[in-house]
This record gives sequence, structure tokens and C-alpha cells, in this order.
Amino acid sequence: DTEVTQTPKHLVMGMTNKKSLKCEQHMGHRAMYWYKQKAKKPPELMFVYSYEKLSINESVPSRFSPECPNSSLLNLHLHALQPEDSALYLCASSQGRTGANTGELFFGEGSRLTVL
Amino acid sequence: AQSVSQHNHHVILSEAASLELGCNYSYGGTVNLFWYVQYPGQHLQLLLKYFSGDPLVKGIKGFEAEFIKSKFSFNLRKPSVQWSDTAEYFCAVTRTYKYIFGTGTRLKVLA
Repeated sequence: DTEVTQTPKHLVMGMTNKKSLKCEQHMGHRAMYWYKQKAKKPPELMFVYSYEKLSINESVPSRFSPECPNSSLLNLHLHALQPEDSALYLCASSQGRTGANTGELFFGEGSRLTVL
Repeated sequence: AQSVSQHNHHVILSEAASLELGCNYSYGGTVNLFWYVQYPGQHLQLLLKYFSGDPLVKGIKGFEAEFIKSKFSFNLRKPSVQWSDTAEYFCAVTRTYKYIFGTGTRLKVLA
């Protein structure tokens, strides 16, 4: 079983809807990540939070808005998405030690998003 | 720009055959290296990792990988594959928080 929990597992939304994806970990990790994975493609980094501060935004469109309320939780708020945003959204965490070695990523099972 | 290349996109092997999957990276300086596996319908799981020290690292399920710094490579090997190794394999490289994944290799093992 994964120690990174994502909800919902599946989400269908229209282009005018506002929804959120949620991620939770209780491993004491201080770095949390959002990745996007299209079918038969590798995960693409979207955002990284380190010690609850946004440290990396890979030029993601503003219709995706991340939030890190505390060290265990990570949200991804979705608004006015496009059909091409349909994908598997993966949350991950790592120990987040300072310096070059931040440890390996622990992934959740993902939230499969369909935008109609 | 940083990149990770996996040369084999699809590999089909019979059980008991040996496996080697290539991974090359373009990433200056000290890096950390990983192989992840994604079994059908499951989440990404760590197979093995290299941070420093012995360049030959052993992971779970009989997998190993060798870091060759001069070749910027981190190839994955297994002496004898099993049907249950059918999955997608991703090489990943990171410095600090920016993990970059290779394009993946789909391995199918025939029983």
C-alpha cells in the first residue's frame, strides 16, 4: 500500500467547473510534488513544495493552483481546465533534506482527471 | 537543458532471459539516480537508487544498476526475468528537488 494518499481517484469535470485534488502523507516528509502523467508518457513535474513553500513551478498555466496548507497536505485547485488537461495527476513526497540529496520520491496512486 | 534518455522503448523477453535497460542523462554536477517501476494499474515504486559510494547498486526483486560517471549512464540489469516483471520502467535523475524522468521502457515478459 502506498503511504501517499490521493483523492479522488477519478474526477470528471467540465471546462467551467472548479474542483480540487488532494494529497496527504504522514511520513514526516518535507517536500511534496505534483506531477502530470499522460498515457504512455513519463511523469512531468508541475510543482514542488519544500517546507511548505513553493520552490518550483514548471511554468504551469494559472488554471492549476497548488496549495500546501501544512507539511502533510497538498492540494491542487483546478479551474477552467481544457480537455487536453485530462491526465493522471500524481502526488509524491520526499524527505526534503537540504542539500543535493532529498531522498527518493514516494508516489500516490494518482487522480485520473477527465475534462469534458 | 537537463534530460534523461532511455533507449529501449519496448522490450519483449522470454522468462529466464537476461535484461539490460539503458539510461543516459544530461545533467551537470552531482546527481542522484533512480529506477522506478510501474506495474499495470499500480503506482510508481522505487526499484533502486544511487546517491554515492559503490557504483553498483542492488535493488528489490533481483534488480541491480551500475552508475558509470564517465558515460553519464545508469543501466538497469536483471540476470533472469520473470513474467511478473512485466511493467514500465522509468529512469530518473535529480539534483535537489527537480526529478526528471526518462521516457520509460515497456517490458513484456512472455511466460
